[in-house]
Amino acid sequence: DAKTTQPPSMDCAEGRAANLPCNHSTISGNEYVYWYRQIHSQGPQYIIHGLKNNETNEMASLIITEDRKSSTLILPHATLRDTAVYYCIVRVGGGTASKLTFGTGTRLQVTL
Amino acid sequence: KAGVTQTPRYLIKTRGQQVTLSCSPISGHRSVSWYQQTPGQGLQFLFEYFSETQRNKGNFPGRFSGRQFSNSRSEMNVSTLELGDSALYLCASSLYGQGSGANVLTFGAGSRLTVL
Repeated sequence: DAKTTQPPSMDCAEGRAANLPCNHSTISGNEYVYWYRQIHSQGPQYIIHGLKNNETNEMASLIITEDRKSSTLILPHATLRDTAVYYCIVRVGGGTASKLTFGTGTRLQVTL
Repeated sequence: KAGVTQTPRYLIKTRGQQVTLSCSPISGHRSVSWYQQTPGQGLQFLFEYFSETQRNKGNFPGRFSGRQFSNSRSEMNVSTLELGDSALYLCASSLYGQGSGANVLTFGAGSRLTVL
């Protein structure tokens, strides 16, 4: 799996958009970008994933650059409940699902 | 539908004892994986089971073992507990097969083990 790099922490005001970057410069053509988050003392929660096209669901949007070397997770209107550690993971699709490598992630603090 | 259920949620053991943790996956999910989370090492993969067979294993000593039953429920066991085994143990279930959705894991709330 390709290595990912994320900033250790970010702050965001409630109601504003939170833009969380992830660098994955060694990503290969068949690897997807996945985002999970972990709210304190809970199990990680899947957010979204994509290959090369931008994706949107009810939780967030994922913007992947054309060269696929980086991506941005966007929480359009952050709330206090979005305070969590966000993990960006790069992985091939299919087969054995597990053995995801969670790095240190980005600790997002949403404030009033 | 019901999520991933882990039991017990909290437990305290002493060094040298053994512990068994249980995980019930989402209905229809046949792959179950286990992770250990500690403040120092973060989230680390333990092992994965599919069709009652261990398909993948992380870098943990043989004291850590698991199994999966025919109904996809899984258990993990840690023998001869050490202080360093104190951690949050997370179970996750997923669909197994082709496609990007196979990496979409649904995690349980975890079992927090304290070893004294």
